[in-house]
Parts: sequence; C-alpha cells; structure tokens
Amino acid sequence: EVQLVESGGGLVQPGGSLRLSCGASGFTFSIYEMNWVRQAPGKGLEWVSYITSSGSTIYYADSVKGRFTISRANAKNSLFLEMNSLRAEDTAVYYCARVIQTGGFYHYALDVWGQGTTVTVSS
Amino acid sequence: QSALTQPRSVSGSPGQSVTISCTGTSSDVGGYNFVSWYQQHPGKAPKLMIYDVSKRPSGVPDRFSGSKSGNTASLTISGLQAEDEADYYCSSYAASYIYVGFGGGTQLTVL
Repeated sequence: EVQLVESGGGLVQPGGSLRLSCGASGFTFSIYEMNWVRQAPGKGLEWVSYITSSGSTIYYADSVKGRFTISRANAKNSLFLEMNSLRAEDTAVYYCARVIQTGGFYHYALDVWGQGTTVTVSS
Repeated sequence: QSALTQPRSVSGSPGQSVTISCTGTSSDVGGYNFVSWYQQHPGKAPKLMIYDVSKRPSGVPDRFSGSKSGNTASLTISGLQAEDEADYYCSSYAASYIYVGFGGGTQLTVL
C-alpha cells in the first residue's frame, strides 16, 4: 500500500523549533518530488515547500522562507521539515504529499498525502 | 487571502449535478493547464480528484469532471451522492506562487 506517515508535531513556544518527519512506503520514494502543505485550524490549504527527487532543487513559500528547511533521505525513504523561529501563525496541521507522476512527467498536483501532524505554537 | 477565488458553499440534492468554480487570472488558471482539484472530508487528508484541468487519477469516479474557460476553472460533480459532501479546493501553478496556490475552499452540502 502506498503510504505517507508524518510525525514530529507538538506544542512549541513562539521562537522555538520543531522537526517534522514523513516516512514513505509502498512506492519508490527516491524518484518522486515531494511537498509539505499545511492547514491552519478551520482554514484552507497552504503550500509550504517543495523538493525534487534528488533534493537538488528546493522552493519555499514566502511565509516560511528563511525559517523552514526541507530535506530528504532517499536511502531511508524519508522527508523532513526543519522549522525554526516558529510563530503563532505557523500553527497548523502539516501534510507531506507526493507529486503525481505519469510517464516520467511530473504534474503540479499531489496524489498521495499523509494523515498530517499537528503543530501548535503557543506560550 | 487565498490565491484563487472559490464560492464559500454550494449545495445539491442526491442525483443532481453541481459545479464549483475557481477564478484566477491570466497568470495562473488562465495561463497554464495545471489546475487541480482536491476533496477533503472533515478530519481527513485531502484527496486528489482532478489534475491538469480535466484528468482523473486512477480510482476517481467519472462523475467528477474538470474544465476551464479563460481564467476560471470548474469542477462538476454529476449524480451527487451523500459521500460527496466535503470541502473542495482548487489549485493552480503560477510562477508568482513559486510552486502552487490554493483556493479558499468550497463546502459542498448534499441536501
């Protein structure tokens, strides 16, 4: 079964740090581009960060640039999000998601999502 | 403030058809065929329903269809079923989004 499982969420004080992990199984993780997407309580989806299959190209939303770092360990089928200088507005459920691929072509769409991990930034 | 504009809510009766719109600009929806639609039930992760404007991933019923005209994309659900009641989000690529932007979401109620 194709699956993504996030972990590492929790309660952290403003200014603190947290490292999220996403474990992949059931597919060849190393050939897929990956993303982090978040959803604040009662709000819509917000794209956070993107990384290519090799990790050579990385993008961040302006709201997290300079504070968050995406990375991956293909040998361990894992995706990470290092979050520093956390703010109250970073409170959200964080999802890792796979970019859909057909015939070797990547599309701007996410076809496999984890169940999410909750990050709460509060004093 | 979301990048793309969706109606806050739509509703329909079982068996009917409903259409959810997603309005952007010539720089996103109108400029690329990279519109996607996601279904999200309460407390669950989003599920990809449509990508590249009108393509359905494997396993998505053909009751779900997508289209685009100018700067507005649409998701049409025909033969509404109770389990279709959910939030729906559109998404589009645009260089200005860096990667993708999402709409604010539309709550579909099956009456």
